[in-house]
Amino acid sequence: AQSVSQHNHHVILSEAASLELGCNYSYGGTVNLFWYVQYPGQHLQLLLKYFSGDPLVKGIKGFEAEFIKSKFSFNLRKPSVQWSDTAEYFCAVNNNAGNMLTFGGGTRLMVKP
Amino acid sequence: EPEVTQTPSHQVTQMGQEVILRCVPISNHLYFYWYRQILGQKVEFLVSFYNNEISEKSEIFDDQFSVERPDGSNFTLKIRSTKLEDSAMYFCASSLQGATNTGELFFGEGSRLTVL
Repeated sequence: AQSVSQHNHHVILSEAASLELGCNYSYGGTVNLFWYVQYPGQHLQLLLKYFSGDPLVKGIKGFEAEFIKSKFSFNLRKPSVQWSDTAEYFCAVNNNAGNMLTFGGGTRLMVKP
Repeated sequence: EPEVTQTPSHQVTQMGQEVILRCVPISNHLYFYWYRQILGQKVEFLVSFYNNEISEKSEIFDDQFSVERPDGSNFTLKIRSTKLEDSAMYFCASSLQGATNTGELFFGEGSRLTVL
């Protein structure tokens, strides 16, 4: 069975700091990869996704993620975070065999103003 | 912007009672899902629904769970006889395409179920 690991459970940064959140998955076949964000009191919403092509994908709000197949990783990055980026971030994987998403445990990001 | 809506936002029930959680997916979407998140744990897939039938379900989705799209707009999750371990946040989601076809899932804000 596939699994998704997010090693950072809590991250605290100051505004303007750079962000990188790790995501690793365990599945040997072709995968579709997603990052979702949940702002306080709001629903999960898609930040970005990778299906094929350029392994560096750009999403909303200045986020990007890089798919490194050899490392089974899909890390999320942002060069300069803002206070409004305070949220919980979830990595998710779909293995192309169905429509199920397998989520990581989430990373809570707090950005100090 | 169209959104997925869920009701109730919070329900408290006694163990053994039946619970129905309701969802109104985005109107032109074709795929519907339920996920749940037990406090402090991962978001877990329960079931997906397409073309008026279950297309996938997880091991969690046992005989006490059922889903229905009774009237073409609502998508419901029924838990027949709730257990303490069913306490969780239940998220409904919908998508125009399946996740294997670049489909983006749109999530509701969740229904928190507390079983006493």
